[in-house]
Amino acid sequence: GDSVTQMEGPVTLSEEAFLTINCTYTATGYPSLFWYVQYPGEGLQLLLKATKADDKGSNKGFEATYRKETTSFHLEKGSVQVSDSAVYFCALSLGSGTYKYIFGTGTRLKVLA
Amino acid sequence: NAGVTQTPKFQVLKTGQSMTLQCAQDMNHNSMYWYRQDPGMGLRLIYYSASEGTTDKGEVPNGYNVSRLNKREFSLRLESAAPSQTSVYFCASSVDRGSGETQYFGPGTRLLVL
Repeated sequence: GDSVTQMEGPVTLSEEAFLTINCTYTATGYPSLFWYVQYPGEGLQLLLKATKADDKGSNKGFEATYRKETTSFHLEKGSVQVSDSAVYFCALSLGSGTYKYIFGTGTRLKVLA
Repeated sequence: NAGVTQTPKFQVLKTGQSMTLQCAQDMNHNSMYWYRQDPGMGLRLIYYSASEGTTDKGEVPNGYNVSRLNKREFSLRLESAAPSQTSVYFCASSVDRGSGETQYFGPGTRLLVL
């Protein structure tokens, strides 16, 4: 069935380090792909998205490219900050017929000063 | 513009008690959702409402009921709470139900069932 798999955490980095969080998906049809971020005690909020193959989503220095050939949507940032510490969720959504919005299990990121 | 609001923020119930979680959005969105978040399992969809007057089951609907009261409000009811329903519950909304739609989340309700 349709699913999202993302790397296990926690991920601990020093400030200004390079970040990659892997996300792969399995889907029938052509999903849209998302990264959401959850700060402590808050709900999820959209970080970036891509709706078709080869699209690149970007926001606040984060980027992810929709790779259909590898069914991946890896999140990257060149230089993380302490304020980026949060839980990151990869998600996919599928069409309006049989509606699905599927989240990965989340990856906790901790950035140390 | 408050976005998505949820009440209460925190609740403790005894097994067998009932309660209703309230959700409201002020963004004029057509679609609304209820999720539960459990450690190591991400978010799982309980119920959703594609538009006012309609509701559909999600991945984990057992033990829950919902009401789309109007376009703004979507409530989740636990008729007889069980310890397995201890979780954090999130309400979300989106303009419509289609692929590519961003979901906007409330701050969550933390529920403990003893």
